Amino acid sequence: AQSVAQPEDQVNVAEGNPLTVKCTYSVSGNPYLFWYVQYPNRGLQFLLKYITGDNLVKGSYGFEAEFNKSQTSFHLKKPSALVSDSALYFCAVRDSGSNYQLIWGAGTKLIIKP
Amino acid sequence: DAGVIQSPRHEVTEMGQEVTLRCKPISGHDYLFWYRQTMMRGLELLIYFNNNVPIDDSGMPEDRFSAKMPNASFSTLKIQPSEPRDSAVYFCASSFQVWTDTQYFGPGTRLTVL
Repeated sequence: AQSVAQPEDQVNVAEGNPLTVKCTYSVSGNPYLFWYVQYPNRGLQFLLKYITGDNLVKGSYGFEAEFNKSQTSFHLKKPSALVSDSALYFCAVRDSGSNYQLIWGAGTKLIIKP
Repeated sequence: DAGVIQSPRHEVTEMGQEVTLRCKPISGHDYLFWYRQTMMRGLELLIYFNNNVPIDDSGMPEDRFSAKMPNASFSTLKIQPSEPRDSAVYFCASSFQVWTDTQYFGPGTRLTVL
């Protein structure tokens, strides 16, 4: 069975500091991994994805994520947080060898304080 | 492109009434997804279509829910009769290909059933 976990319901970071939003997954085969962001009263927006290739993936708004196969993680990072990064962040995973749907994490609320 | 369009943006109805949510996917996208988001259950996939054909409706909560896609540019999600526990934000998303591709979300319909 495939699953994804976002262990933190909320992450608080001061503006200008680096931020990390954690995601771990479990699949039988190779994972396809995604990060999406949701601003208040809006739909989800794609940030970045890992399908294959370089473990470090760069995405929109200065975000990046590192695929770590040994730790089965795909943490989202940004070197310097902005207040406008405050939003709800979702990690999603799919087993490349299955016909199963994307499995979504519960979401992590990121709060950037000025 | 205008993106995924959903209507209405807000819907307030009384228990027992029929509710119809509408979605126009991005032109050229072969896949269309209906999601439901609640605080308790997070983001749930209800059903998805490929080339207007329903592929997986295992997420549809019960027979009160039905979805159709009569053509490539239009889909509906109907709830009949509606119940207070159906109150949620319903999202439509579309993608060009299946699971390796980015899903583009609409702004959502906030449904309140009194």
